[in-house]
Amino acid sequence: QVQLQESGPGLVKPSETLSLTCTVSGGSISSDYWGWIRQPPGKGLEWIGHIYYSGITNYNPSLKSRVTISVDTSKNQFSLKLTSVTAADTAVYYCARVGGGGYEDQWGQGTLVTVSS
Amino acid sequence: DIVMTQSPDSLTVSLGERATINCKSSQSVLYSSNNKNYLAWHQQKPGQPPKLLIYWASTRESGVPDRFSGSGSGTDFTLTISSLQAEDVAVYYCQQYYSSPKTFGQGTKLEIK
Repeated sequence: QVQLQESGPGLVKPSETLSLTCTVSGGSISSDYWGWIRQPPGKGLEWIGHIYYSGITNYNPSLKSRVTISVDTSKNQFSLKLTSVTAADTAVYYCARVGGGGYEDQWGQGTLVTVSS
Repeated sequence: DIVMTQSPDSLTVSLGERATINCKSSQSVLYSSNNKNYLAWHQQKPGQPPKLLIYWASTRESGVPDRFSGSGSGTDFTLTISSLQAEDVAVYYCQQYYSSPKTFGQGTKLEIK
């Protein structure tokens, strides 16, 4: 059973860059797609984007100008960078494996990132 | 973007009774070439990450109890819990993965009466 674990700073200042890493264990990252989803406190889920192990990416147009997702197959990790953050980017950020036809079938535990000075 | 609208927003059901959650997409998520509906259901218990319950609108994920079932096609879908258990208290989300960006419904909060 693949397991995913997010890591990164829990507090980011406005206008700075949010950086998170997802470590995959129990399986190889060199297959399937891997994605990021976020959930503002008390609200619903927003898809951020995903990456194929080869490096092909697909981003939500609403965030595309600020998002970069990358993969490091040697470390079995993939990462999220979100630039120029504001308070509206405060959320629990989840990494996930994208299985089958495109649905998220394994989720990490999530990490809360707060944007505040 | 495809807009996913769930109803109701919240639902209170007695233990052992049936719970029904509806999901409507703003356009069809049925791919005609393979006759598959690109619709998933996720369960999120308090303080936990979402968990995949159902994909292709009606296929249960491995390990999901058979009291959970999904139905529907095109733009109208339903998640049914045939006999509600205490551990089913959660928020349920439908998700379309037919087109990018993938989108989720607003969630339905299920509670015990």
